[in-house]
Amino acid sequence: EDKVVQSPLSLVVHEGDTVTLNCSYEVTNFRSLLWYKQEKKAPTFLFMLTSSGIEKKSGRLSSILDKKELFSILNITATQTGDSAVYLCAVASGTYKYIFGTGTRLKVLA
Amino acid sequence: DSGVTQTPKHLITATGQRVTLRCSPRSGDLSVYWYQQSLDQGLQFLIQYYNGEERAKGNILERFSAQQFPDLHSELNLSSLELGDSALYFCASSVEAGGRTDTQYFGPGTRLTVL
Repeated sequence: EDKVVQSPLSLVVHEGDTVTLNCSYEVTNFRSLLWYKQEKKAPTFLFMLTSSGIEKKSGRLSSILDKKELFSILNITATQTGDSAVYLCAVASGTYKYIFGTGTRLKVLA
Repeated sequence: DSGVTQTPKHLITATGQRVTLRCSPRSGDLSVYWYQQSLDQGLQFLIQYYNGEERAKGNILERFSAQQFPDLHSELNLSSLELGDSALYFCASSVEAGGRTDTQYFGPGTRLTVL
């Protein structure tokens, strides 16, 4: 059965800290891995990763995929209170299915 | 604002009833996806339509059905509602069916409460 597992489930840090969120997966016909940020309502897209070892960056956020070890990490440097959210990892499989992890809840304290 | 619209915003109904949720994708997007998010289950993929045709099915119950119309808007029909169907239902859209891009843009969601 396809599955996506995120860790940790939850973490609390202080502003300025760096955090690393993990996403491991087991799916048939992997196509891509996506990261989303969900604050109060709808998830918003962060990154899509398809190739191993190529880092994607957007400001203080970056992500990388390891297709051999079947995981991805999302790094957030110099965290701010506005980074507080649930971060979702999803994997798209070749049959056009999308499997989401349960998310990592990040709280950044001022 | 993602450009995806969903109506209604909130829906409260009783067990055994039937409801219809509506979604309009971003302009130019051909694919529509439906998701259910409940506190204990996380985000669950239900079904995907591409240009009017069903493309993929996830964990969608037989009591649920969906369709995508020629103008590309989509409706999710939930019938014989149970208490456990209470959840946030998201619609998302993307340009293609997952060929060159899988980026999905989510609507604000419809919160369904079944009493």
